[in-house]
Amino acid sequence: KAGVTQTPRYLIKTRGQQVTLSCSPISGHRSVSWYQQTPGQGLQFLFEYFSETQRNKGNFPGRFSGRQFSNSRSEMNVSTLELGDSALYLCASSSTSQQGIYGYTFGSGTRLTVV
Amino acid sequence: GESVGLHLPTLSVQEGDNSIINCAYSNSASDYFIWYKQESGKGPQFIIDIRSNMDKRQGQRVTVLLNKTVKHLSLQIAATQPGDSAVYFCAENNAGNMLTFGGGTRLMVKP
Repeated sequence: KAGVTQTPRYLIKTRGQQVTLSCSPISGHRSVSWYQQTPGQGLQFLFEYFSETQRNKGNFPGRFSGRQFSNSRSEMNVSTLELGDSALYLCASSSTSQQGIYGYTFGSGTRLTVV
Repeated sequence: GESVGLHLPTLSVQEGDNSIINCAYSNSASDYFIWYKQESGKGPQFIIDIRSNMDKRQGQRVTVLLNKTVKHLSLQIAATQPGDSAVYFCAENNAGNMLTFGGGTRLMVKP
C-alpha cells in the first residue's frame, strides 16, 4: 500500500513569509504527527492530530500550527518564518491497537530553507 | 519529552561483520520502542520495534534487545552490508502517539 506522502519535497522561503506543508497518511491511519529535524537539535516532536483534533503538542512557538482534515490528511503551517526554521519537516502516520501504537511510518519529508 | 541530539557517534564496521548500535532511553515509563534507519535525503525508515513486555525481538538480520533495568536498547545487525550504511535512531513512546528520539548513530560499512 502507499506510504506517507509529503509535499512539496523542497521549499525556499524568505524570512517573514509563511509556509504550508502537506501530508497524506497511510490509508487507514488516523493519527498524523509532525517532527522537525535539524543537525543541532535532532528530531523533535511538533504536534499530533487524530480525528481532526490536536491531541499532543511539543515545545514549539505558536507560529507553528497544524490541522487535519476528515480524510486524515494533515497540513502544518509556519508563520513569520525565521532563519532557524530551516529544517527537514517530517510527517508520520500511525494506528492504535489494544497494545498501543503501531505502524509508525514516516514520509520522506519537506526540506524547508529560509533565506 | 527530551531531545538528545547534538552528538552523532560513528560506528565503523567491516562488511560481513556484525554491528551493535546502542541507545540509552530517558523515560522508565516508556513502553514501546522503535529503531529507524535514515539515509541521506530520506525520512526515517522503520526497522524493528519492541514493547516493554519483551526483552528481545528478531527480524530479518536484525535483533533488538531491551534492558529496562538500565534503560538500554540495542540493535544488532548481522552480516552488515554496504547498504546498511546510514544513521540509526532509537525512539521511545510513553504517551500518546509521540516519539522521543535519541541522537542517532552513524553506521559506516567498509567494503
